[in-house]
Amino acid sequence: DMKVTQMPRYLIKRMGENVLLECGQDMSHETMYWYRQDPGLGLQLIYISYDVDSNSEGDIPKGYRVSRKKREHFSLILDSAKTNQTSVYFCASSSHGESSYEQYFGPGTRLTVL
Amino acid sequence: QQQVRQSPQSLTVWEGETAILNCSYENSAFDYFPWYQQFPGEGPALLISILSVSDKKEDGRFTIFFNKREKKLSLHIADSQPGDSATYFCAASEGMGYKLTFGTGTSLLVDP
Repeated sequence: DMKVTQMPRYLIKRMGENVLLECGQDMSHETMYWYRQDPGLGLQLIYISYDVDSNSEGDIPKGYRVSRKKREHFSLILDSAKTNQTSVYFCASSSHGESSYEQYFGPGTRLTVL
Repeated sequence: QQQVRQSPQSLTVWEGETAILNCSYENSAFDYFPWYQQFPGEGPALLISILSVSDKKEDGRFTIFFNKREKKLSLHIADSQPGDSATYFCAASEGMGYKLTFGTGTSLLVDP
């Protein structure tokens, strides 16, 4: 069963605290992504990881960093969270074979920074 | 700037009608256009996609019409069902690559 999981699903933090969002996938996909989704803005790419320890900035990387030490696991870290990082965060994965470019999304983590 | 634009922002149709969702883009290098469907509380899921070499793609009740010259595409949902009520995102990428640029979405409500 192809699946992307995210933990936690809901998180409330205070401004200045560190935040760790976790993502896992069971499809052995090489590529993984972190997006944030805000009302009226659609999905914005934060970081992309092409494989273990091969990460690249997306469109809005400021204030975020990532870690990928295993192919099936991708973490998003917010050092000293800010109130404007309140959002819903989605992880996704994909495998770029001959005919498929589909990104599989997790259920999201709703982060509130007070 | 918003490279992928969607309209309308929200749309209500009656059950059985055809819903038409519009998308336009600015980057001529975009050549892969997926549409994602998202239900409340869930992540987006791929619904249907088209490559710029085609002008039409059908999958059951869902059809993409693509106009490369005008940089526009549309998603037609025939015989709309209440279960189609969701937010639909148009996206685009270059060279069928990894980085998708998403539009802001169209929220569709199908009234029974």
